Amino acid sequence: DAGVIQSPRHEVTEMGQEVTLRCKPISGHDYLFWYRQTMMRGLELLIYFNNNVPIDDSGMPEDRFSAKMPNASFSTLKIQPSEPRDSAVYFCASSPYRTGGNYGYTFGSGTRLTVV
Amino acid sequence: AQSVTQLGSHVSVSEGALVLLRCNYSSSVPPYLFWYVQYPNQGLQLLLKYTSAATLVKGINGFEAEFKKSETSFHLTKPSAHMSDAAEYFCAVSENDMRFGAGTRLTVKP
Repeated sequence: DAGVIQSPRHEVTEMGQEVTLRCKPISGHDYLFWYRQTMMRGLELLIYFNNNVPIDDSGMPEDRFSAKMPNASFSTLKIQPSEPRDSAVYFCASSPYRTGGNYGYTFGSGTRLTVV
Repeated sequence: AQSVTQLGSHVSVSEGALVLLRCNYSSSVPPYLFWYVQYPNQGLQLLLKYTSAATLVKGINGFEAEFKKSETSFHLTKPSAHMSDAAEYFCAVSENDMRFGAGTRLTVKP
């Protein structure tokens, strides 16, 4: 398996623009997680899905953030409108288990978002 | 609820020296424990994991960690640091959910 695949690797956008981040999880993993990493806050869980259904979005910072998982092999995280404070690295991770279990999570390479 | 604490946000060692990165956890049941490594501009990669088998766990790149229940610790060690070990290291505990520590940045001096 190619692992968790995220695109794009880097995104630079202007404030107010819509940004869409993409993720392809590992086949067979029932859980998909979106994280945000910043120097100030470290790793933050934004939302996670189970079998394509959003289960907990309590970490999504504002209504400007939304996430979807239309099928088992694709998820998007959208920010509209984007603001400079959204600049961060966004990671997608997948796992067979919600808690990670004895497997843990497999992370993608991340999308570095810069909003100017 | 479980939690994980990494002591020291930044550790600096000389090349060839012992690497010791500290991790303490709290959990109501024996947890699963993980160490992840994040190289610059990359995602988190699994370094090793404790899943209630052997208490001394060996991982990639010569790293190992020992689960000590009495001390609720899972410290990461490597006998001899290489320049390529410079990265951020995250300890994580899995019980009711997956909790990550704040990370420790390892610097290796030549």
